[in-house]
Amino acid sequence: DADVTQTPRNRITKTGKRIMLECSQTKGHDRMYWYRQDPGLGLRLIYYSFDVKDINKGEISDGYSVSRQAQAKFSLSLESAIPNQTALYFCATSDLSPFNEQFFGPGTRLTVL
Amino acid sequence: GQQVMQIPQYQHVQEGEDFTTYCNSSTTLSNIQWYKQRPGGHPVFLIQLVKSGEVKKQKRLTFQFGEAKKNSSLHITATQTTDVGTYFCAPAGSGAGSYQLTFGKGTKLSVIP
Repeated sequence: DADVTQTPRNRITKTGKRIMLECSQTKGHDRMYWYRQDPGLGLRLIYYSFDVKDINKGEISDGYSVSRQAQAKFSLSLESAIPNQTALYFCATSDLSPFNEQFFGPGTRLTVL
Repeated sequence: GQQVMQIPQYQHVQEGEDFTTYCNSSTTLSNIQWYKQRPGGHPVFLIQLVKSGEVKKQKRLTFQFGEAKKNSSLHITATQTTDVGTYFCAPAGSGAGSYQLTFGKGTKLSVIP
């Protein structure tokens, strides 16, 4: 089984709809991250969390919110989706060691019509 | 996070040719990670460089961190079709920001058999 899983893997929705993307991990890592990937723009950090009580905004948090329900679960919500949120979304985890590698989930491809 | 420029954006090579991607920063980096993303896949950690002038090798891949810790490079010798994908550099911040990675826009490598 994959260490970092994301659901759904693909989603098509309409403008104005609320969408939740879920991430679960079995690696026992405390740190979790949500990234957005657009063609030619690399990965941009949306939110990150050190533990269930710690949530931090990343580079592009506007229009997004997150919830850390447990050490293993980190959800990303789009309260009112808009077309320019169409992108590939990745969840990632890392442990507490400084500068440690991040482990990515398979991604969720979201299309907002 | 740190801002970096990664060049080139695209590279097409004949199988067997060498390939190099560069990551440049205007500020001193504390460390840098490199990731590879296969087409349709998720980023996978390759290596982390921490020390000034550091050189690390993984089979046909050679990673370098500049003496001034402002640039880094990834060199692939004798490319193979399995090297196809996008290579990202990701410098980490320093101190309290060390857990954040700022990804470069990536270099997309195509290998012509």
